[in-house]
Amino acid sequence: AQSVSQHNHHVILSEAASLELGCNYSYGGTVNLFWYVQYPGQHLQLLLKYFSGDPLVKGIKGFEAEFIKSKFSFNLRKPSVQWSDTAEYFCAVSPSNTGKLIFGQGTTLQVKP
Amino acid sequence: DAGVIQSPRHEVTEMGQEVTLRCKPISGHDYLFWYRQTMMRGLELLIYFNNNVPIDDSGMPEDRFSAKMPNASFSTLKIQPSEPRDSAVYFCASSFSRDYNSPLHFGNGTRLTVT
Repeated sequence: AQSVSQHNHHVILSEAASLELGCNYSYGGTVNLFWYVQYPGQHLQLLLKYFSGDPLVKGIKGFEAEFIKSKFSFNLRKPSVQWSDTAEYFCAVSPSNTGKLIFGQGTTLQVKP
Repeated sequence: DAGVIQSPRHEVTEMGQEVTLRCKPISGHDYLFWYRQTMMRGLELLIYFNNNVPIDDSGMPEDRFSAKMPNASFSTLKIQPSEPRDSAVYFCASSFSRDYNSPLHFGNGTRLTVT
């Protein structure tokens, strides 16, 4: 069965620190990859996505992610976090042509001002 | 566009009662998903529909859970009878399959508390 694993459940950083959240998936075929963010009290919103092409994807608010096919990974990065980045971050995988989106368990990021 | 609309926003019920959650997807979207979010298990896919037809319901936890999509603009998730362990936030989401740049659009969720 397809699955998504996020390495860190809870991350605490100070403002201006660099961020990297790990994501690995298990699926042998072609996939589309996503990172979603859920700010406190809000619904999930798309942060960035990868379908094909350049494996380094840039999203909103200075976030980026790199798809490494050989490692089945899609890690999220940001060079300098802000207090407003405090949220829960979800990695998601969609096996191509299925329409199905499978989420990881999420990583709670807390940024201290 | 009003986005994905879920009702109610909050539901508090007693164990054993029937609970019905409702969802109106974005007009024109042909995929509809039901997810459940808990602290312990994160965001779980329960079931999804394509053109009103259930495609994969392997995530539905038990026979107490059922979902329907009688038409393109409405879906329900029913729990009967409800149990305290069903307490969670239930999200509905929709997307348009032919637009690969269209992400999943989520509703605001229904927070269910079963006492």
